[in-house]
Amino acid sequence: DGGITQSPKYLFRKEGQNVTLSCEQNLNHDAMYWYRQDPGQGLRLIYYSQIVNDFQKGDIAEGYSVSREKKESFPLTVTSAQKNPTAFYLCASSRSGTNTEAFFGQGTRLTVV
Amino acid sequence: QKEVEQNSGPLSVPEGAIASLNCTYSDRGSQSFFWYRQYSGKSPELIMSIYSNGDKEDGRFTAQLNKASQYVSLLIRDSQPSDSATYLCASSRGTGRRALTFGSGTRLQVQP
Repeated sequence: DGGITQSPKYLFRKEGQNVTLSCEQNLNHDAMYWYRQDPGQGLRLIYYSQIVNDFQKGDIAEGYSVSREKKESFPLTVTSAQKNPTAFYLCASSRSGTNTEAFFGQGTRLTVV
Repeated sequence: QKEVEQNSGPLSVPEGAIASLNCTYSDRGSQSFFWYRQYSGKSPELIMSIYSNGDKEDGRFTAQLNKASQYVSLLIRDSQPSDSATYLCASSRGTGRRALTFGSGTRLQVQP
């Protein structure tokens, strides 16, 4: 099945820990994105990548890091510098170019304990 | 001012009625527009995309775009209780940063 797979579905982090969220796609999409959603809110862009080995900061990149070593994979690390990491994290991908649709994975719900 | 604005709702309509969801955007460089449906606790699901002024119909859904007024809407005909969800409006620029910018969403409740 073609799609976007995020893992884990639920993740618990202790204060001061770094955690990495996985996002893999087999849609052959060039572009990948990470969004954060807080309760009752829309999606806010953390990082995006339009091509392998290149990525750009979104609107709320502080406390997060990413890598894009393979076309299929775009992992997100939530570092200890992120002061309020509890949220629903969504990965998406799309073809490159204009007028392209983005599709989402199932999300990872991160909770700080 | 948010780049993409939506009324948070809830918008309540009776079963079988037309639900009208509205969205305005401020970035005149936006070229592509999307409506996503999000059920509670789930990820967004794309239901409509629109790129040109006018109407685009797909089944019970019609998206409308007016670039001069910077306005996008989604009509849902014959609303069903299963349509009850949050509807997210998103825009994308044609050049530069092409990542989607989302509104905060409108919660729709369809009353049986």
